[in-house]
Amino acid sequence: AQSVSQHNHHVILSEAASLELGCNYSYGGTVNLFWYVQYPGQHLQLLLKYFSGDPLVKGIKGFEAEFIKSKFSFNLRKPSVHWSDAAEYFCAGGAWSSGSARQLTFGSGTQLTVLP
Amino acid sequence: GAVVSQHPSRVICKSGTSVKIECRSLDFQATTMFWYRQFPKKSLMLMATSNEGSKATYEQGVEKDKFLINHASLTLSTLTVTSAHPEDSSFYICSARRSGTGNTIYFGEGSWLTVV
Repeated sequence: AQSVSQHNHHVILSEAASLELGCNYSYGGTVNLFWYVQYPGQHLQLLLKYFSGDPLVKGIKGFEAEFIKSKFSFNLRKPSVHWSDAAEYFCAGGAWSSGSARQLTFGSGTQLTVLP
Repeated sequence: GAVVSQHPSRVICKSGTSVKIECRSLDFQATTMFWYRQFPKKSLMLMATSNEGSKATYEQGVEKDKFLINHASLTLSTLTVTSAHPEDSSFYICSARRSGTGNTIYFGEGSWLTVV
């Protein structure tokens, strides 16, 4: 069965600290991976996505993620967090081939708290 | 960029009545839209996959007679919660898959439903 797991439910960092949020997936075949962010009271926004090619993906707001096939991981990173990065982060995966529709499977989310 | 809009953003209805939530892709055509439900401090739960011109595909445990989904055009899907009860109160989110390069999924802003 397809699954996406995020093991860190709540991460607390000081401002300027480096961030890494874990995401592991379980899929057969080609997988498309995403990181979404949800700021308090707002809707989900796409941070970055991986479909193929360079396994190091750069997204918006200084975020990046690395697809490591051997580890079934797609961890989100940011060298230096800002207080405005406090939000809930969701990893999601989907596997779809041409012409077929597949839904995204979401991880349980990681709440990021940034201390001044 | 691709925009998905939901309406209404907040709705309060009386127990036993029905309420409709609309999901529109504003600048692209979406043959497939998805409806999610998000409980407080929980991840998104996929309810159903909405396909334009055909019946929606419901996830296990989701009552299709209670949550009616209609995907009447390439830019509009609607979710109708029939005979609403207080336990149906939740945050409902739609997303639309943009065909073409990437098949990226974009999310609506979400709709808060409160049943009193």
